[in-house]
Amino acid sequence: DAKTTQPPSMDCAEGRAANLPCNHSTISGNEYVYWYRQIHSQGPQYIIHGLKNNETNEMASLIITEDRKSSTLILPHATLRDTAVYYCIAKGPRDKLTFGKGTLLTVNP
Amino acid sequence: DTAVSQTPKYLVTQMGNDKSIKCEQNLGHDTMYWYKQDSKKFLKIMFSYNNKELIINETVPNRFSPKSPDKAHLNLHINSLELGDSAVYFCASSSNRQGRRLRGYNSPLHFGNGTRLTVT
Repeated sequence: DAKTTQPPSMDCAEGRAANLPCNHSTISGNEYVYWYRQIHSQGPQYIIHGLKNNETNEMASLIITEDRKSSTLILPHATLRDTAVYYCIAKGPRDKLTFGKGTLLTVNP
Repeated sequence: DTAVSQTPKYLVTQMGNDKSIKCEQNLGHDTMYWYKQDSKKFLKIMFSYNNKELIINETVPNRFSPKSPDKAHLNLHINSLELGDSAVYFCASSSNRQGRRLRGYNSPLHFGNGTRLTVT
C-alpha cells in the first residue's frame, strides 16, 4: 500500500466547509484513494473513494490532483456530528485496508 | 436492521480465561474481517475470511482463532487471555465479487461498532 500523510489535527467552524488534505506521492496506478472516518466509540465508516476523477456523494466530495499525488476530502457544511478521526488510505484491489493515524477533525460551534 | 453486528459490546474478564466475540452481517457480503484497535487508537487488521476461507492472517498469536460457520458469520475465539489483549475489536465485511464494471475492485468495508475487551 502507498503511504499516506495527513495532518494530525484540524479545526473547522460549524457550517463551514472542512477541507482535509492527504498526501500520497508514491501511489501506484491501480491504487484507489479511500476515505473513512471514525466517530468516537464507533466503528470506522466509509465516506468516499476515487481513482483519478473527482467524486461526490451525499456525504462529501473528493478532489484528486491530476498527478494523483495528493487529494482533498471536502465536507461542504460541517456539523458538530462530523467531529471524528478521518483516515485517507491508498489501496490496490487486492490489498488489505490499512489504517494510519488519520486527522482528528474538530468542528466547533 | 443493523448491517454488521457484534456481541457482546463490552467484555470484562480475567487473565487466563477463554472468551468469544460473535459477528454477523446481513449485507450479503462474501468477505469478513477482524480488526484490533489498541489503547493508542491504531487500527490493525487481524484476519480476513472470504467465503469461509481464511485469506489474511496477520501476525496474531495462536491464542486467537477465528471461525466462520457461514458467509454471514465470523466469530473470534481467544484462549488464555492476557492483559495485552485488552482493546476494542471490530468486525467488518465487504464484497469482493468482481463485476464487469468493477473488475478487481473491492467494495468498501462496513464495520460493526466494536467489542471493548478488558482483561484484568
